[in-house]
Amino acid sequence: QSVLTQPPSASGTPGQRVTISCSGSSSNIGSNTVNWYQQLPGTAPKLLIYIDDQRPSGVPDRFSGSKSGTSASLAISGLQSEDEADYFCAAWDGSLNHWVFGGGTKLTVL
Amino acid sequence: QVQLVQSGAEVAKPGASVKVSCKASGYTFTSYFIHWLRQAPGQGLEWMGVINSSGGNTNYAQRFQGRVTMTRDRSTSTLYMEVSSLRSEDTAVYYCARVVGSGKLAYFDYWGQGTLVTVSS
Repeated sequence: QSVLTQPPSASGTPGQRVTISCSGSSSNIGSNTVNWYQQLPGTAPKLLIYIDDQRPSGVPDRFSGSKSGTSASLAISGLQSEDEADYFCAAWDGSLNHWVFGGGTKLTVL
Repeated sequence: QVQLVQSGAEVAKPGASVKVSCKASGYTFTSYFIHWLRQAPGQGLEWMGVINSSGGNTNYAQRFQGRVTMTRDRSTSTLYMEVSSLRSEDTAVYYCARVVGSGKLAYFDYWGQGTLVTVSS
């Protein structure tokens, strides 16, 4: 059981906007920043969003992050077939004293 | 460019140990902490611990205390993570990842490609 809760799957058609949620608690998302990663099958995770809503250079502005209270969201607009991947959230948990992760959301582009 | 290159897949018997390596390049090795994480089949990521690449001090997740050892070799810019007393539940892909920042503003910016460790008799 992952500490952060994500929906196991999400889908959309090309051009659509999709959001993926990540729910936590006061000891993780509620008091620390959230990071998002994209993972293509058989490859290493790639940083997508850091410190809640910051995009690393090279990540398209179609990807955006937000946070409110103990929940965070990743939004992908203008969906493209290459966005089909697993996405997971991460945050430091001050009570457990270690990093915690969401179980991952598999995004399908129909 | 920053790269973390891990050693190849391993098959180990229950009760044995396995040591995974992570060779860093493209940045000043001693300037960053490296974390180790794992992902069991069909499961989310699990944090195992962290090593200071400069001083070598470590901090392990409580559930791995006594069974995991993280070390580094500054001369070759390589990190190592050894898991002992392996059991079937340790079958997973193991990752090393570099962390940027500290406290509330920390995040993993580069990851190794992963090493599959299969524990089977």
